Amino acid sequence: DGGITQSPKYLFRKEGQNVTLSCEQNLNHDAMYWYRQDPGQGLRLIYYSQIVNDFQKGDIAEGYSVSREKKESFPLTVTSAQKNPTAFYLCASIAGTGLMNTEAFFGQGTRLTVV
Amino acid sequence: AQSVTQPDIHITVSEGASLELRCNYSYGATPYLFWYVQSPGQGLQLLLKYFSGDTLVQGIKGFEAEFKRSQSSFNLRKPSVHWSDAAEYFCAVGATNYGGSQGNLIFGKGTKLSVKP
Repeated sequence: DGGITQSPKYLFRKEGQNVTLSCEQNLNHDAMYWYRQDPGQGLRLIYYSQIVNDFQKGDIAEGYSVSREKKESFPLTVTSAQKNPTAFYLCASIAGTGLMNTEAFFGQGTRLTVV
Repeated sequence: AQSVTQPDIHITVSEGASLELRCNYSYGATPYLFWYVQSPGQGLQLLLKYFSGDTLVQGIKGFEAEFKRSQSSFNLRKPSVHWSDAAEYFCAVGATNYGGSQGNLIFGKGTKLSVKP
């Protein structure tokens, strides 16, 4: 079945560590997105990529980094510069380069906790 | 700037009662509007979408939404709520020219629905 797979489902990070969240899709979609979700805050865009080897900052990119070396993969690294990384992270993809004309497909999320 | 407001943070309805979740958007042109549902600890699933044409759109799980341009609203409705509808619901608008390039979805902050037996 086609879809988006995020791993791991739960992740624990120590202070000062970098951690990487995986997002893989087999939908052959061009565009991929990372959102952060906090209680009562809705979804906030971290980074997005509309083509391989290219990505753009979203609203809250500070303390995060991404890469897009393959069409199907868009990993997110939460760096030690992110002071409040505890949150639920969602990855999404769409077929085209604009969300207006197609459905966004979401992964099941990764819950990151700082310990 | 585009924005989405969901005025109700939490709503409780009895099973079998009707439901309306409110969504207001701010956008200069014809909006592209979406409703998503999220169960606890899960990703988001598309319920329905509006791009153009008939202002009343039907979605999955018996939901519908009506686009009202004059009120800048896209409220979600269901005639009879089931216990399995308890979840968080997000309204979103498709934003053009985000950062000067392509599109993005702007989400409301969500409405949590609880269903009483």
